[in-house]
Amino acid sequence: DTGVSQNPRHKITKRGQNVTFRCDPISEHNRLYWYRQTLGQGPEFLTYFQNEAQLEKSRLLSDRFSAERPKGSFSTLEIQRTEQGDSAMYLCASSLVDSLGGYTFGSGTRLTVV
Amino acid sequence: KQEVTQIPAALSVPEGENLVLNCSFTDSAIYNLQWFRQDPGKGLTSLLLIQSSQREQTSGRLNASLDKSSGRSTLYIAASQPGDSATYLCAGRMDSSYKLIFGSGTRLLVRP
Repeated sequence: DTGVSQNPRHKITKRGQNVTFRCDPISEHNRLYWYRQTLGQGPEFLTYFQNEAQLEKSRLLSDRFSAERPKGSFSTLEIQRTEQGDSAMYLCASSLVDSLGGYTFGSGTRLTVV
Repeated sequence: KQEVTQIPAALSVPEGENLVLNCSFTDSAIYNLQWFRQDPGKGLTSLLLIQSSQREQTSGRLNASLDKSSGRSTLYIAASQPGDSATYLCAGRMDSSYKLIFGSGTRLLVRP
């Protein structure tokens, strides 16, 4: 297992377009998290899944954002009708249920909305 | 509401110096605390994880401590090297939640 994988690494899109990012967690990890990081700030929590169930969503996750984790494996994060304020690094992480081993983050997807 | 603060925001030191990065949190009901490293434009690399029952963790030249009663954690880097230049983030997980609360990070530059 090579860790948490995120695709694409970079995405440039025009305002108003829809974008989708994918995250493949460490295979034995049943928790998966999405975070957003803007320049000069620490990551902020967006949502998390335990297996296929989405258990918590941040108020940051407006109705233009949707996340899924079908079959409890990979996850997708979709942003509809992108706005310039959506430009950020989107980070995915995974962990075991007890989190005793901590969180493992992917390399992130850098979104630029022009 | 848990808040995590990191001081200083930026630090520049000559190679070979020992240094300390600080992290403070407002809620002592912390489950664990994790230190990460982030290179420019990259994701987060986990450095050290301290459970609430532990006082410190060590990995190579890195040592992290946790004092729940004072709401503080420190990351000690011994004999700093230019390759240590990066942003260091601390993040706390609370007893009542599964999400990490991050500080804004300390940008470290180690000058050759």
